[in-house]
Amino acid sequence: NAGVTQTPKFRVLKTGQSMTLLCAQDMNHEYMYWYRQDPGMGLRLIHYSVGEGTTAKGEVPDGYNVSRLKKQNFLLGLESAAPSQTSVYFCASTNRDTQYFGPGTRLTVL
Amino acid sequence: SQKIEQNSEALNIQEGKTATLTCNYTNYSPAYLQWYRQDPGRGPVFLLLIRENEKEKRKERLKVTFDTTLKQSLFHITASQPADSATYLCALGIGGGGNKLTFGTGTQLKVEL
Repeated sequence: NAGVTQTPKFRVLKTGQSMTLLCAQDMNHEYMYWYRQDPGMGLRLIHYSVGEGTTAKGEVPDGYNVSRLKKQNFLLGLESAAPSQTSVYFCASTNRDTQYFGPGTRLTVL
Repeated sequence: SQKIEQNSEALNIQEGKTATLTCNYTNYSPAYLQWYRQDPGRGPVFLLLIRENEKEKRKERLKVTFDTTLKQSLFHITASQPADSATYLCALGIGGGGNKLTFGTGTQLKVEL
């Protein structure tokens, strides 16, 4: 089992560019989450999904969109990247209480 | 406002001693509290979960306490080792559907020889 994987690991964007981060899990989990982690701020929830075809807003959803077309995949999109979106992005999944995290994507927006 | 506080200053201890990390929260009524470990450049890894009706939980060298009156959890690592050096995050299960967690900012632990 690979667990939770994230693609890409690193990315540099220019302001205004768009990109999609991919999260995949092979544990058949219903719930999936996208977080961002910034120094001194801890992990903050961007969007989450309680099952295939569903999405919901978290604490900091502005500037991001998500889709969950397949149960195993959760995509995070940035339509027009801004320097404030420079961060490390983590995906997680669970079926109950404990969340399993991916290795993260380090995104820099210039 | 709702807040989860962990010591922002790093905790340095000697090998073999017990490390104690604190998680305080305000304006939450969590159903459970979890502790995660995070190594540099990696995602958090689950360590322990304790529910609101439990006072203490143990797993090998780890012990967690949960005091809902004080709104505090303590995380202990006994007989600490340099390999225990990492950042430790507490997270509250806040309900409201979706099994969401709210995380503290973490405390960095460094175990020295």
